[in-house]
Amino acid sequence: KAGVTQTPRYLIKTRGQQVTLSCSPISGHRSVSWYQQTPGQGLQFLFEYFSETQRNKGNFPGRFSGRQFSNSRSEMNVSTLELGDSALYLCASSLAGTGGSPTNEKLFFGSGTQLSVL
Amino acid sequence: SQQGEEDPQALSIQEGENATMNCSYKTSINNLQWYRQNSGRGLVHLILIRSNEREKHSGRLRVTLDTSKKSSSLLITASRAADTASYFCATVPGAGSYQLTFGKGTKLSVIP
Repeated sequence: KAGVTQTPRYLIKTRGQQVTLSCSPISGHRSVSWYQQTPGQGLQFLFEYFSETQRNKGNFPGRFSGRQFSNSRSEMNVSTLELGDSALYLCASSLAGTGGSPTNEKLFFGSGTQLSVL
Repeated sequence: SQQGEEDPQALSIQEGENATMNCSYKTSINNLQWYRQNSGRGLVHLILIRSNEREKHSGRLRVTLDTSKKSSSLLITASRAADTASYFCATVPGAGSYQLTFGKGTKLSVIP
């Protein structure tokens, strides 16, 4: 089975622009979570989706949004980029069988998208 | 906010030695997970230990959990250069939680 695929791998943007990151989960996995990793704040939860519904969102401003499609693929969008948005954005998928919580089982992470905001 | 705090922040050992990393947390948990991350890459799940378990093994890995002390430890035995990575503990406060709360990690260097 292919792993979690994130595209693009690297991205350079300037302040004020917007960006869309993509994540394809492992086949059959219905839960997709997004995390932001920075040297200062570490790993922080952004949001989690299951069956096209956002079930939980972390403490991030409204500039951060996401969605999930019927095939479980997910995208996240950051509008009006700020320098502090430079980070590694990680996507993780899990089975979350019968709509359960993804954290009762292991998460499978992609390699991430490294976003640099200049 | 960070729930888990790993200790030490960095650890350097010789190949063949054992490596022990500790994680402390503040609130009650449903389960605790350990992940490994090679530089700039995604995280790889190592072990999940539930709040009613005290010890789990997986290959060269041994994880303990002491809920009374709100702490966990990860032991890697007979370390290899390929074990060089950052190790994170992640806590899950309740059975219905949708997010992992990560610590800042321990950076392990295994010298050949």
